[in-house]
Amino acid sequence: QVQLVQSGGEVKKPGASVKVSCKAFGYTFTSYGVNWVRQAPGQGLEWMGWISGYNGNTKSAQKFQDRVTMTTDTSANTVYMELRSLRSDDTAVYYCARGFCTTTSCIDYFDYWGLGTLVTVSS
Amino acid sequence: SYDLTQPPSVSVSPGQTASIPCSGDELGERYVSWYQQKPGQSPVLVIYHDTKRPSGIPERFSGSSSGNTVTLTISGTQAMDEADYYCQAWDSSTAVFGGGTKLTIL
Repeated sequence: QVQLVQSGGEVKKPGASVKVSCKAFGYTFTSYGVNWVRQAPGQGLEWMGWISGYNGNTKSAQKFQDRVTMTTDTSANTVYMELRSLRSDDTAVYYCARGFCTTTSCIDYFDYWGLGTLVTVSS
Repeated sequence: SYDLTQPPSVSVSPGQTASIPCSGDELGERYVSWYQQKPGQSPVLVIYHDTKRPSGIPERFSGSSSGNTVTLTISGTQAMDEADYYCQAWDSSTAVFGGGTKLTIL
């Protein structure tokens, strides 16, 4: 069955970077994309960006454009999200979620979600 | 930036119908998805493309659209439906979530 398995929790200092992985199981990796969504403690969902498993095209939210990089390793069915210049308000659970893609974009619903990765930013 | 507006909370008695609205500019021209999130869990897709229900989601969950408002309706609510619900749409290849609605079963 479809599963998205995320890497474990991280504790980082302000100014550092974090790289979260999301490994896909149970479907053809290149037929879908992966979105990244985060949730700060007690807050709502915030979309960060998507990456196509087909061609590596990406789109990120304007808020994160300067700090986030999303990449894929199709040989490992894995997507990575790196967030740089971490601040305390980046403390959140980071989810990956599968989404449908065309050849140019991935703008459809999120049908499977990972369990989330808690990233804590603290000095 | 594009915004989706949801009420912070909705309360309903068991067995009654809960309606959760989500409004936004030109929302009727966009597909909307709804996600249920229980405490400590990942979100779950309950409605996509405004009205479609994924496999495994109970029939009591339904979606509708009218003008600039879409509505998630839960008929015959059960205690297990108590959760946060988020609407989501796309604007210029960017996903936007509503602020979320906490559904309380009294």
